[in-house]
Amino acid sequence: KAGVTQTPRYLIKTRGQQVTLSCSPISGHRSVSWYQQTPGQGLQFLFEYFSETQRNKGNFPGRFSGRQFSNSRSEMNVSTLELGDSALYLCASSPGQDEKLFFGSGTQLSVL
Amino acid sequence: AQSVTQPDIHITVSEGASLELRCNYSYGATPYLFWYVQSPGQGLQLLLKYFSGDTLVQGIKGFEAEFKRSQSSFNLRKPSVHWSDAAEYFCAVGARNNQGGKLIFGQGTELSVKP
Repeated sequence: KAGVTQTPRYLIKTRGQQVTLSCSPISGHRSVSWYQQTPGQGLQFLFEYFSETQRNKGNFPGRFSGRQFSNSRSEMNVSTLELGDSALYLCASSPGQDEKLFFGSGTQLSVL
Repeated sequence: AQSVTQPDIHITVSEGASLELRCNYSYGATPYLFWYVQSPGQGLQLLLKYFSGDTLVQGIKGFEAEFKRSQSSFNLRKPSVHWSDAAEYFCAVGARNNQGGKLIFGQGTELSVKP
């Protein structure tokens, strides 16, 4: 089976812009989670989608949003980018029955 | 509050030496427990997990971890480290009531291996 695929691998944006990141889960996995990783804050949970519904949400502002499509692919959107949004954004999928997550390689976002 | 503590930010061991990475957690009940490894610029790979049963769990790449409820710990061990083990290691906890992909991670321990 192919692993979790995230696109693009790298992104450079400027403050105030918005960005959309994409994640294709492992075939058959219905749950997709998003994490933000920074040197200062470490790995922080953003949100999780299961069967197109947001099932859980972390403590991030409303500028961070996501959605999941019927084929389980997911997108994450960040509006009005700030310098502090620079991070590695990781997507993870799971079958949905337990918490064993399979991670993609991430999208490295730089906000200038 | 739920939290995971990895007391050692950076550890250096010689190749062939044994390794123990510490992890302590604070949680309302017995959580699911995980160890992940991350190589530079890459995502996280699951090394092992504890859900229930035997408190000593075996993982990939020769790693094992022991869950000690009385100490709220889940330390990762390897009897003989290889140079390819150099990476960052993360301990994580998840809720048993299906919190939907939400894991709480420790800050990570960076492992360097001396030849």
